[in-house]
Amino acid sequence: DGGITQSPKYLFRKEGQNVTLSCEQNLNHDAMYWYRQDPGQGLRLIYYSQIVNDFQKGDIAEGYSVSREKKESFPLTVTSAQKNPTAFYLCASSIPRPDINEQFFGPGTRLTVL
Amino acid sequence: DAKTTQPNSMESNEEEPVHLPCNHSTISGTDYIHWYRQLPSQGPEYVIHGLTSNVNNRMASLAIAEDRKSSTLILHRATLRDAAVYYCILRDRGNQFYFGTGTSLTVIP
Repeated sequence: DGGITQSPKYLFRKEGQNVTLSCEQNLNHDAMYWYRQDPGQGLRLIYYSQIVNDFQKGDIAEGYSVSREKKESFPLTVTSAQKNPTAFYLCASSIPRPDINEQFFGPGTRLTVL
Repeated sequence: DAKTTQPNSMESNEEEPVHLPCNHSTISGTDYIHWYRQLPSQGPEYVIHGLTSNVNNRMASLAIAEDRKSSTLILHRATLRDAAVYYCILRDRGNQFYFGTGTSLTVIP
């Protein structure tokens, strides 16, 4: 089955530690995205990548870093510089053409900083 | 500033039509209008999208105003499974998606 996987589903970290969230897709999509969602809020874009080895900052990139070494993978690192990292993180992918329909989302990772 | 604005919440009786409005007054000529919905603790799922003309699919209909500054998602017969947060989103030529805060739809049995 084609789709997007994120791991882990739940993640706990101590304050001051870096943590990496995994996102893998087998849809052969060029574009991949990371969003953050806080309780009762919409999605805010952290980073996006339209092609391998290229990525752009979204609205809230401070305290986060990404890499795009392979088409299938777009890991997100939450660094200790991110002041309030507790949130629900969603990864998505799409064909990079706005007239082509949808953005596919993974199941999400819920990060809690203790 | 948010590119789309939606009511925070709406209610509908089961089996009745639902009209979910969205304002996007700053939309550019090349932005596509997308609608997604999200169940608790899940990723959003695609519902429908369009550019200028009204669109229909098996899930819903999308009515786009002539000046494109607003749109309406229409669920023809609401079911309990349609209870979710519905997001109106603009997708630009750079393939960036701009999410608003969404409308929480409650379906009353």
